[in-house]
Amino acid sequence: QTVVTQEPSFSVSPGGTVTLTCGLSSGSVSTSYYPSWYQQTPGQAPRTLIYSTNTRSSGVPDRFSGSILGNKAALTITGAQADDESDYYCVLYMGSGVVFGGGTKLTVL
Amino acid sequence: EVQLVESGGGLVQPGGSLRLSCAASGFTFSSYWMSWVRQAPGKGLEWVANIKQDGSEKYYVDSVKGRFTISRDNAKNSLYLQMNSLRADDTAVYYCARGLEWFMWGQGTLVTVSS
Repeated sequence: QTVVTQEPSFSVSPGGTVTLTCGLSSGSVSTSYYPSWYQQTPGQAPRTLIYSTNTRSSGVPDRFSGSILGNKAALTITGAQADDESDYYCVLYMGSGVVFGGGTKLTVL
Repeated sequence: EVQLVESGGGLVQPGGSLRLSCAASGFTFSSYWMSWVRQAPGKGLEWVANIKQDGSEKYYVDSVKGRFTISRDNAKNSLYLQMNSLRADDTAVYYCARGLEWFMWGQGTLVTVSS
């Protein structure tokens, strides 16, 4: 069974830069997995940030960027703000469906 | 603007059935794969099922195979999820989502399976 791995938690200072990663329990993540990233605050629906590795969804500020770093997909937040404090989920496409990562809880302090 | 509005959630007893609906607007519904994603209380997101534009292909996560059925009506711009033999671990917010590899999201509807 494919497991998509994410850091359970991360902390960043206001104005700082943080990179969250999305890996596979077995193998490397490539653009063929169409990695996407979602932001979710408690009680709210997810918000689409990045799709197809590095395409920003409409209305998403350019502080958010996606890439492949080594063997993982990555979400980089530059100039972190207080309202970036959220859960972040990555998704990898597996050919018929997708698998979600377990999510990263980002704290801004 | 993409709008997805789920309905049909509620409280159901274990072993019971429920049918979720999703009304889509703001895009050409018949041109997109559609999906259902769920989130159990305090847990992460889990993909449940998807369906091709014409309904000819459907895929499910293993835990719901044989119990859930995804369908769509392109004339009504609507997506459905028929859920049978519900279990306590099906309790979750169910999101309607546009897409196959990545998603645009509805606001979700809560399904609670409890006696």
